[in-house]
Amino acid sequence: DAGVTQSPTHLIKTRGQHVTLRCSPISGHKSVSWYQQVLGQGPQFIFQYYEKEERGRGNFPDRFSARQFPNYSSELNVNALLLGDSALYLCASSPGQTFLAKNIQYFGAGTRLSVL
Amino acid sequence: AQKVTQAQTEISVVEKEDVTLDCVYETRDTTYYLFWYKQPPSGELVFLIRRNSFDEQNEISGRYSWNFQKSTSSFNFTITASQVVDSAVYFCALNKDLGYSTLTFGKGTMLLVSP
Repeated sequence: DAGVTQSPTHLIKTRGQHVTLRCSPISGHKSVSWYQQVLGQGPQFIFQYYEKEERGRGNFPDRFSARQFPNYSSELNVNALLLGDSALYLCASSPGQTFLAKNIQYFGAGTRLSVL
Repeated sequence: AQKVTQAQTEISVVEKEDVTLDCVYETRDTTYYLFWYKQPPSGELVFLIRRNSFDEQNEISGRYSWNFQKSTSSFNFTITASQVVDSAVYFCALNKDLGYSTLTFGKGTMLLVSP
């Protein structure tokens, strides 16, 4: 079975541009989360979506937005890119209901975004 | 607020040595879950183990073992007879019921196993 897939693998943008990152969850998983991992740090939570609704948001500016589609895939959008947005963006999917802390989150390999 | 501390930034060992990765967490909740993930150079976080706050039994899975001590808020991870393929960054993470599920990660420990 396919795991969590993310596209593109790598992306280079310039300051002020907009970027869209895509994620397909494991088949049967209805919850998708996004994390930002800056070099040398642990991942930081950005959003969680379940059944196409936003269920949780981390401490990120409004330039970050996301949505989940009827097939449970998801997009992360970042507007007005800053140099500090350069990071590995990880998508995770989990089975079951979103609020269960016991849910195991399964991660994709990420999209490495470089902002010049 | 939740916090996870992995004080060891980088550990270097020679193959077949045993190594322990430390994890200390802070939370005010009585119900929570602890996780360990492995991140090889490919970038994908690989799930290793989940432990709930009411289960303090140690767990062993092959060469991996975990020691959860609620009294010291620690959840340490030991690799026995390390192998080169164990080289990766290892993350400890904490999750609690917030109405949604979000992991709070430590900064990770890079393990380098040389032949």
